[in-house]
Amino acid sequence: DAGVTQSPTHLIKTRGQQVTLRCSPISGHKSVSWYQQVLGQGPQFIFQYYEKEERGRGNFPDRFSARQFPNYSSELNVNALLLGDSALYLCASRPKTNRAQGNDTQYFGPGTRLTVL
Amino acid sequence: GEDVEQSLFLSVREGDSSVINCTYTDSSSTYLYWYKQEPGAGLQLLTYIFSNMDMKQDQRLTVLLNKKDKHLSLRIADTQTGDSAIYFCAETSSGGSYIPTFGRGTSLIVHP
Repeated sequence: DAGVTQSPTHLIKTRGQQVTLRCSPISGHKSVSWYQQVLGQGPQFIFQYYEKEERGRGNFPDRFSARQFPNYSSELNVNALLLGDSALYLCASRPKTNRAQGNDTQYFGPGTRLTVL
Repeated sequence: GEDVEQSLFLSVREGDSSVINCTYTDSSSTYLYWYKQEPGAGLQLLTYIFSNMDMKQDQRLTVLLNKKDKHLSLRIADTQTGDSAIYFCAETSSGGSYIPTFGRGTSLIVHP
């Protein structure tokens, strides 16, 4: 089975531009989460979606938005890009699990490297 | 908020054992994870442990959990140069969000 896929792999933008990143979860996974990983740091949570509904939002400005489609793929949009938005953006999917029986494990994609000049 | 702390660097010789340590503050942690990240790549799940377990072994990997001290460790036996990477500790709490909190990562360097 294919893992989580993300596109594009690399992206270069200039300040003030807008960007859209895409993610396809593992087949059968209905939950998608987005993370920002700045160089030298661990991933920071941005959004979580489950069954097309937003289930969680991290401490990021309104310039960041996301959505999930009926096929459970997802897009992350960032408007008015700043230099500080340069990072690796990771998408993760998670199967629907019962905590009494399973685990919370998230499976990560390879990421999109965004550089803002 | 919850914190996950890791030492930043570890250097070992090929063939030796590596032990990467992690401490966390959330007493309601449910699952604790170790992820591996190679240069330019995403995060690869290595192993996880449920909070009611003390130890989990998976081939060369051994995870030890001391829930009283909120201390998690990952031991890699017979470390190889291919194990060189950044290792992230992460935890999820029982709050229901399934959102892991990550440490800053430990960079493991394996010398031939």
